[in-house]
Amino acid sequence: SQQGEEDPQALSIQEGENATMNCSYKTSINNLQWYRQNSGRGLVHLILIRSNEREKHSGRLRVTLDTSKKSSSLLITASRAADTASYFCATPPNTGNQFYFGTGTSLTVIP
Amino acid sequence: EAGVVQSPRYKIIEKKQPVAFWCNPISGHNTLYWYRQNLGQGPELLIRYENEEAVDDSQLPKDRFSAERLKGVDSTLKIQPAELGDSAVYLCASSGQGGETQYFGPGTRLLVL
Repeated sequence: SQQGEEDPQALSIQEGENATMNCSYKTSINNLQWYRQNSGRGLVHLILIRSNEREKHSGRLRVTLDTSKKSSSLLITASRAADTASYFCATPPNTGNQFYFGTGTSLTVIP
Repeated sequence: EAGVVQSPRYKIIEKKQPVAFWCNPISGHNTLYWYRQNLGQGPELLIRYENEEAVDDSQLPKDRFSAERLKGVDSTLKIQPAELGDSAVYLCASSGQGGETQYFGPGTRLLVL
């Protein structure tokens, strides 16, 4: 069973709007990562935030982490059609934590 | 730099037949992972290798699944015999020193009829 859950399961927005997806988990973590998966492709690493960080930016991406609530959010600003993909939160399997990958949010950006 | 290579990309077999997937990780990456991803879900780890040693295979259904990474480079995942419920995408990933970021291959899409 997957111990990371993402919300919403699916999100549809207009190009130019912001997209926010949330991740809740149950285990202790050292860091949390977000990956993107385009349809029929492998996953691509987007950003990593460590447990002692609260917010991190990378281009149009902003990630927050609240370890007390065991939750993280990914914000994509000024969305583009090319952002259409599934997004997963995750923890590295080599840290001894059991979280690994969440259930994913399917984002559709309408041109 | 070449990414993670997987083959085949697609495989259709009948139930009870054997099937094998091959993965070549990024050069120099000591850690290799095999995941299974069902439709609409996140990847689930099957096995993790550090060099040629399987350090986490707790989620690998050992009655029908096997994996090897004999020389600590490329790896093969086998299912014998395949069942209908094995239809999924099988993803291979690798990571380098520290192992925080995983680099994924394109996956093998398996359909068992």
